[in-house]
Amino acid sequence: ILNVEQSPQSLHVQEGDSTNFTCSFPSSNFYALHWYRWETAKSPEALFVMTLNGDEKKKGRISATLNTKEGYSYLYIKGSQPEDSATYLCADYNTDKLIFGTGTRLQVFP
Amino acid sequence: DTEVTQTPKHLVMGMTNKKSLKCEQHMGHRAMYWYKQKAKKPPELMFVYSYEKLSINESVPSRFSPECPNSSLLNLHLHALQPEDSALYLCASSQMGAANTGELFFGEGSRLTVL
Repeated sequence: ILNVEQSPQSLHVQEGDSTNFTCSFPSSNFYALHWYRWETAKSPEALFVMTLNGDEKKKGRISATLNTKEGYSYLYIKGSQPEDSATYLCADYNTDKLIFGTGTRLQVFP
Repeated sequence: DTEVTQTPKHLVMGMTNKKSLKCEQHMGHRAMYWYKQKAKKPPELMFVYSYEKLSINESVPSRFSPECPNSSLLNLHLHALQPEDSALYLCASSQMGAANTGELFFGEGSRLTVL
């Protein structure tokens, strides 16, 4: 994998559903993997910065896991709420640059 | 203060105009970044300043000229742009220099339209 890829591109869920999405990145020269949350008309905000293989981080209902050997990270949202609606971007820190994926756009319906 | 402030929020300019985008942070961060984002595409890195020195230029055309007057300010000077340069321009800062794993703090972006 040469680029940072995210799937799915978009996701519509009902309030209360749990959901997850994937970020794939080059496994060679790994340094760090970032997750950002970007609400419409606001600035992207960092959720997690992950560096260790097998790492799992949690912030409230949102958690993320990291597999550096196979080059993927999962973001999980438990019990989605309408305020979770946003675009979730992952970014691979590699060769001195932070390279972003295209994001997963999440919409949570009440 | 954990904000990165970008001005203007919206800018419309002709292809012969000269304008500037401005970015300011007061978090004591020593690395600052310009990203360009077009619709349905990922933010693309343009420039990185580390300790007020340009450390990365991603082969950006010379019609974009960055400037870092001091550690709190980052400008992007625009001249003779093309309509395809219309995009959202995001500024970000981070605590350390370019070779770090610290999170980026972003502004809300400047939406540029080139006529």
